[in-house]
Amino acid sequence: DVKVTQSSRYLVKRTGEKVFLECVQDMDHENMFWYRQDPGLGLRLIYFSYDVKMKEKGDIPEGYSVSREKKERFSLILESASTNQTSMYLCASTLRLRTDTQYFGPGTRLTVL
Amino acid sequence: AQSVTQLGSHVSVSEGALVLLRCNYSSSVPPYLFWYVQYPNQGLQLLLKYTTGATLVKGINGFEAEFKKSETSFHLTKPSAHMSDAAEYFCAVTLGFTGGGNKLTFGTGTQLKVEL
Repeated sequence: DVKVTQSSRYLVKRTGEKVFLECVQDMDHENMFWYRQDPGLGLRLIYFSYDVKMKEKGDIPEGYSVSREKKERFSLILESASTNQTSMYLCASTLRLRTDTQYFGPGTRLTVL
Repeated sequence: AQSVTQLGSHVSVSEGALVLLRCNYSSSVPPYLFWYVQYPNQGLQLLLKYTTGATLVKGINGFEAEFKKSETSFHLTKPSAHMSDAAEYFCAVTLGFTGGGNKLTFGTGTQLKVEL
């Protein structure tokens, strides 16, 4: 059974803190994604990675960075958290872009105070 | 570029009634289309997808969708709603050719409520 896990379900941080969200997949997928989900806005792509150490910006990369040192792990970094980054963050992976199913983790609900 | 519009952020149906969730897309080239479902406190999971071939696509849990190019639509239906169908549903589109970009664009979601 395919599995995408995220390091935390709930996270509370202070403004200005550096925040790491981690995602691990066990399906040997090349492609991994970070989305942000907000009510009324659906899912918006922050970054994706198509190979180890390779990344591309999505629709809303400002204030975020990513790291992919190993194929199975994709990290989202908030260099200096702000209150407007309070959101649900979803990680996903897929074998082939465009046609294949994206498999999602359960999400991390981040609150920045 | 591509975009997705889901009409109705909230839809309420009675148990046993027809479920119809609307999705219209905009794409300059043939699209690949997806419906995902998100149950409370969970990530998204695929319901069904259209890439090529038959335009009527069947998915899990009795759902189906029909790709209608002339109407640029990919509406999701289920003949008889069940309480367990209560969830948020997302339509998504990507461009169906190499070099068309790799982004999956999601709609804003439709929350389905099923009442007794």
